[in-house]
Amino acid sequence: NAGVTQTPKFQVLKTGQSMTLQCAQDMNHNSMYWYRQDPGMGLRLIYYSASEGTTDKGEVPNGYNVSRLNKREFSLRLESAAPSQTSVYFCASSEPLAGGPYNEQFFGPGTRLTVL
Amino acid sequence: DAKTTQPPSMDCAEGRAANLPCNHSTISGNEYVYWYRQIHSQGPQYIIHGLKNNETNEMASLIITEDRKSSTLILPHATLRDTAVYYCIVRALLNNAGNMLTFGGGTRLMVKP
Repeated sequence: NAGVTQTPKFQVLKTGQSMTLQCAQDMNHNSMYWYRQDPGMGLRLIYYSASEGTTDKGEVPNGYNVSRLNKREFSLRLESAAPSQTSVYFCASSEPLAGGPYNEQFFGPGTRLTVL
Repeated sequence: DAKTTQPPSMDCAEGRAANLPCNHSTISGNEYVYWYRQIHSQGPQYIIHGLKNNETNEMASLIITEDRKSSTLILPHATLRDTAVYYCIVRALLNNAGNMLTFGGGTRLMVKP
């Protein structure tokens, strides 16, 4: 199993350009997440998808859109990139346990994005 | 979700036990304590979680005080590969919105030879 994969690993954009970050998981998990991590800080949730066909905003959704393409794939789109979106982006997936505690989240290796 | 307080950094000698504290004095009865770590430039990795009993797995032990207001993650024999930022997270039971995690600043553990 590859776990959670993300593409690309690195990307440099100019202000105003658009791009889509791809994420896929092969663990048959229902829930998927997008986080961003700025230098020296913890992760912040951008969007999540509790199950296929649903998406919801997290803590910092402005400037982003997401698509849960199918159970495996969850993409993050920047329509008009800004320097403030320079960050490392992590995708994660999990399988919630009904009636019990959260199951662990599995994270991808991250995409390092620089917006000039 | 309850807030957590962790020291920003700690050192540990290789081969010794690393004890990482976390304060969560406002924790509610249905909230679990989770620990994740992030090795430089990688995605976070789940370590362990618990509700009120002490827990142990192949990676670490989690000691939760009787009043549940604080906990300690113990790495019994720290190695250089355990150098990472360790996050203590408190989260309630699953709801229909999914199991979001809120990462604070964490503790940067430096294991030294």
